[in-house]
Amino acid sequence: GAVVSQHPSWVICKSGTSVKIECRSLDFQATTMFWYRQFPKQSLMLMATSNEGSKATYEQGVEKDKFLINHASLTLSTLTVTSAHPEDSSFYICSARDTSGRGYEQYFGPGTRLTVT
Amino acid sequence: GDSVTQMEGPVTLSEEAFLTINCTYTATGYPSLFWYVQYPGEGLQLLLKATKADDKGSNKGFEATYRKETTSFHLEKGSVQVSDSAVYFCALSGQAAGNKLTFGGGTRVLVKP
Repeated sequence: GAVVSQHPSWVICKSGTSVKIECRSLDFQATTMFWYRQFPKQSLMLMATSNEGSKATYEQGVEKDKFLINHASLTLSTLTVTSAHPEDSSFYICSARDTSGRGYEQYFGPGTRLTVT
Repeated sequence: GDSVTQMEGPVTLSEEAFLTINCTYTATGYPSLFWYVQYPGEGLQLLLKATKADDKGSNKGFEATYRKETTSFHLEKGSVQVSDSAVYFCALSGQAAGNKLTFGGGTRVLVKP
């Protein structure tokens, strides 16, 4: 149980285009999902907290107009990188919090590697 | 604010050696503490956790004890295998931060046969 999937697992796009990454909780409902960014050989940086049915809360320094987050259902959150540039190339990881009684543990997706050329 | 400090790597060991990765934290209140493992090209997997002082988390031969007096949560394994090669992240979830996870910088472990 407690499986989180991400799609795609990797994507290559051209500079100036937009890319959408999906994060799904497969066997539980997640009112809260988190989006992280990880640079090579570095730790995870929290980008934003996504709450079902409401606007995402972005961490300081993260451009909300560039990284659009939508959490339209209890099992799906999406991150859209708009007008991508090479500096947006990174490993994006989502996590989902199961608030059904298992506590507030976060379950992580396998990550999406974005390369912008 | 909350913070987690863990020893820098890489840590290189021979198979069957003893592994210790130090982790200390700063947080208000009574955070929950976690160790996550990340294998190459993959996301994070929860390795173990502890939610209150003196709790010991354990999984797959790894152990860590929540020490409030020293604000530490060191990870140990008595006999590592090549398959334990990965990056290990210490993290805390603090009530004051809305239960968001704060990660340490990660420690890369390489186990050689």
